[in-house]
Amino acid sequence: KAGVTQTPRYLIKTRGQQVTLSCSPISGHRSVSWYQQTPGQGLQFLFEYFSETQRNKGNFPGRFSGRQFSNSRSEMNVSTLELGDSALYLCASSLEASGGPAATQYFGPGTRLTVL
Amino acid sequence: QKEVEQNSGPLSVPEGAIASLNCTYSDRVSQSFFWYRQYSGKSPELIMSIYSNGDKEDGRFTAQLNKASQYVSLLIRDSQPSDSATYLCAAVNAGGTSYGKLTFGQGTILTVHP
Repeated sequence: KAGVTQTPRYLIKTRGQQVTLSCSPISGHRSVSWYQQTPGQGLQFLFEYFSETQRNKGNFPGRFSGRQFSNSRSEMNVSTLELGDSALYLCASSLEASGGPAATQYFGPGTRLTVL
Repeated sequence: QKEVEQNSGPLSVPEGAIASLNCTYSDRVSQSFFWYRQYSGKSPELIMSIYSNGDKEDGRFTAQLNKASQYVSLLIRDSQPSDSATYLCAAVNAGGTSYGKLTFGQGTILTVHP
């Protein structure tokens, strides 16, 4: 099976702009979670989608949003970019998210976002 | 107190030795535990998962879980230079408001020197 894919891999934006990142989960996986990774904060949970519904959200401002499509592909959007949004954005997919082996998350390669 | 804490690194071991990585968690409802390996500039790669008390072995890797002590560990036997990476411990709770949320430790940097 193909793994989780993310596009684009690298992105450079300026403050105030917005950005959309895309994630395609492993075939058959219906849960997609998004994380932000920075040197100072480590891996922080952004949100999780399952069957086009956001079921969980981390402690991030409303500038961070996402959605999931009927084919389980997901996008996240960051509006009004700030310098502190520079990070590696990772998505991970799992069969489901309720626990046990089916909740095992597999990560994509990430999108490296740099905000100038 | 952080929800998931890992033993402070960095950890340096000689090639062929056993590397021991430790993790404690504070939330008793945590159900599933994972160890990920992350090479510099790359994304986390799943090494081991463990759900019940005891040991789970996979090749050179052994994960240990003790729910009473809220403790998870990873042993790497016959460590190789290619094992040099950051190891991340993660926990997930069952359903409810914890859907899809892995809580990560800060990571332990492991260096295996020839």
